Amino acid sequence: QQQVKQSPQSLIVQKGGIPIINCAYENTAFDYFPWYQQFPGKGPALLIAIRPDVSEKKEGRFTISFNKSAKQFSLHIMDSQPGDSATYFCAASTGANNLFFGTGTRLTVIP
Amino acid sequence: EPEVTQTPSHQVTQMGQEVILRCVPISNHLYFYWYRQILGQKVEFLVSFYNNEISEKSEIFDDQFSVERPDGSNFTLKIRSTKLEDSAMYFCASSGLDNSPLHFGNGTRLTVT
Repeated sequence: QQQVKQSPQSLIVQKGGIPIINCAYENTAFDYFPWYQQFPGKGPALLIAIRPDVSEKKEGRFTISFNKSAKQFSLHIMDSQPGDSATYFCAASTGANNLFFGTGTRLTVIP
Repeated sequence: EPEVTQTPSHQVTQMGQEVILRCVPISNHLYFYWYRQILGQKVEFLVSFYNNEISEKSEIFDDQFSVERPDGSNFTLKIRSTKLEDSAMYFCASSGLDNSPLHFGNGTRLTVT
């Protein structure tokens, strides 16, 4: 059973565009929803995270939107840059431990 | 900024051999984890470790796997008899207090031939 479903699998945008990556989860006990960024040959690095008591969180150019009733959350990257080209994983957990990851989205930002 | 370090970066082994993957978590962290990522696929939870014992493990973490914290700084994953399907990136992670974010190392690429 896939605990967290992520889409799209890949995404190409022009520099300055706003890529949006979507995730959906099943387990209503999840209470922590992070997004990780992974560059080739590196481990996942925490980008931003949200808990279900808020519907939106913004850190710099990165925004998480959270819809508790729909059990969905998404990552928006404002003014995307070529350096944002990476694989992005959503995840979910009860507490911040034992994360269940989505399948990843490979983002390419074209200069 | 403190980081999780993993060695080796790449390990090649023959099927049936034992391998030990090593990790040095962030020094004041208390919770330790192993995850794996088969090439091109999602990151999967293997095991979590706290207070010198396994706190949770996934169905992937069968009797061929074991973890150990042999001293105050290292955290190891042992695969007793490797199989071809064990080929993957193995990531160590650590976190401080409960419910604090996980910090991942850069991984060990294990290739079983």
